[in-house]
Amino acid sequence: NAGVTQTPKFQVLKTGQSMTLQCAQDMNHNSMYWYRQDPGMGLRLIYYSASEGTTDKGEVPNGYNVSRLNKREFSLRLESAAPSQTSVYFCASSQEEGQPQHFGDGTRLSIL
Amino acid sequence: AQSVTQPDIHITVSEGASLELRCNYSYGATPYLFWYVQSPGQGLQLLLKYFSGDTLVQGIKGFEAEFKRSQSSFNLRKPSVHWSDAAEYFCAVVAGNYGQNFVFGPGTRLSVLP
Repeated sequence: NAGVTQTPKFQVLKTGQSMTLQCAQDMNHNSMYWYRQDPGMGLRLIYYSASEGTTDKGEVPNGYNVSRLNKREFSLRLESAAPSQTSVYFCASSQEEGQPQHFGDGTRLSIL
Repeated sequence: AQSVTQPDIHITVSEGASLELRCNYSYGATPYLFWYVQSPGQGLQLLLKYFSGDTLVQGIKGFEAEFKRSQSSFNLRKPSVHWSDAAEYFCAVVAGNYGQNFVFGPGTRLSVLP
């Protein structure tokens, strides 16, 4: 049982570069989420998808875009990376909307 | 808007001692409340959740939490801590059933002395 799988695990970017963080879940969950974690701030919601074909902004969406490619996959894109986006990014999923239950192991992103 | 505070940034306990991690929330109605644990280098794992009913909730790994409406609190407890419990613990609250209304507290880091 893989659960929630995130790729890559680590990434270093230069300011202005773009990249896509991938997330896939194998639990047939409807809802998926992207969070960022910064020291002392807990997790903050970037975007979420209540079901396939829908996405909504969270608390900190600026500088990010998402795609719910199908029920399994939910990707997060940084179009022009900025140092302020240096963080650890977590993808999560759940069957119940609005209650993240299963988390991936995170992507550690550094932007120079 | 709802909010969550965890007054203790870092707590250290001896192995075998009891543990209580504090969580306070701000919300007009009864919210849904959650506790998660995050081991170093890993994602979060759901320990337990409270929706309604019995105010004492049992979770995994021997943890329990008690909802106290009068104190707007949802404290996490464990009677005897094991070294493997060293981790970061997050309290969370959701108002309604929408992802954007799910708010995490800042976390409490637990260290366990042998």
